[in-house]
Amino acid sequence: SQELEQSPQSLIVQEGKNLTINCTSSKTLYGLYWYKQKYGEGLIFLMMLQKGGEEKSHEKITAKLDEKKQQSSLHITASQPSHAGIYLCGADKGNTPLVFGKGTRLSVIA
Amino acid sequence: NAGVTQTPKFQVLKTGQSMTLQCAQDMNHEYMSWYRQDPGMGLRLIHYSVGAGITDQGEVPNGYNVSRSTTEDFPLRLLSAAPSQTSVYFCASRFAYEQYFGPGTRLTVT
Repeated sequence: SQELEQSPQSLIVQEGKNLTINCTSSKTLYGLYWYKQKYGEGLIFLMMLQKGGEEKSHEKITAKLDEKKQQSSLHITASQPSHAGIYLCGADKGNTPLVFGKGTRLSVIA
Repeated sequence: NAGVTQTPKFQVLKTGQSMTLQCAQDMNHEYMSWYRQDPGMGLRLIHYSVGAGITDQGEVPNGYNVSRSTTEDFPLRLLSAAPSQTSVYFCASRFAYEQYFGPGTRLTVT
């Protein structure tokens, strides 16, 4: 079965600092989804990557999918308290529900 | 367009009780799924459906039943609640490369 490993499990950064979250798959990905979840709330779709080498940005968040389509990174530039939450990557196996990693808990401190 | 809706938002059950978590979507999506989220475990797939009348098991199906009589609705039934089913439950619907989540149901079994 497809497994997704996210690292780190948790992260505490000072406001204004940059950070990176990684998501690694045991198999080649059809597509890779990134979601954000504020504590106690639902999941918000951030972006989806499909092609090897693809990179997408939304405001201060950039996600990349490597050429082999087995690893994705999520990079936040100049972190803010509003970036705090749980970040989840989800793997697309093709026409079935997404399979998710365990998530990365991000805290941003002043 | 309400997207994916879930009811109730919160529920407390006693061990052995049964109940149904409701999920509905108004986007005419064929694919719907149920996940549970537990601390440190990420999102785990319980059951999913690729269309009306078709359901299949996910990673953690034991103790749960589903049916899909219409495209819009995908209820999740707990037949005899157990404390191990204390969790946050998310329903999702998918079309092509877009998967949307409901706001979640927080269930406590005592």
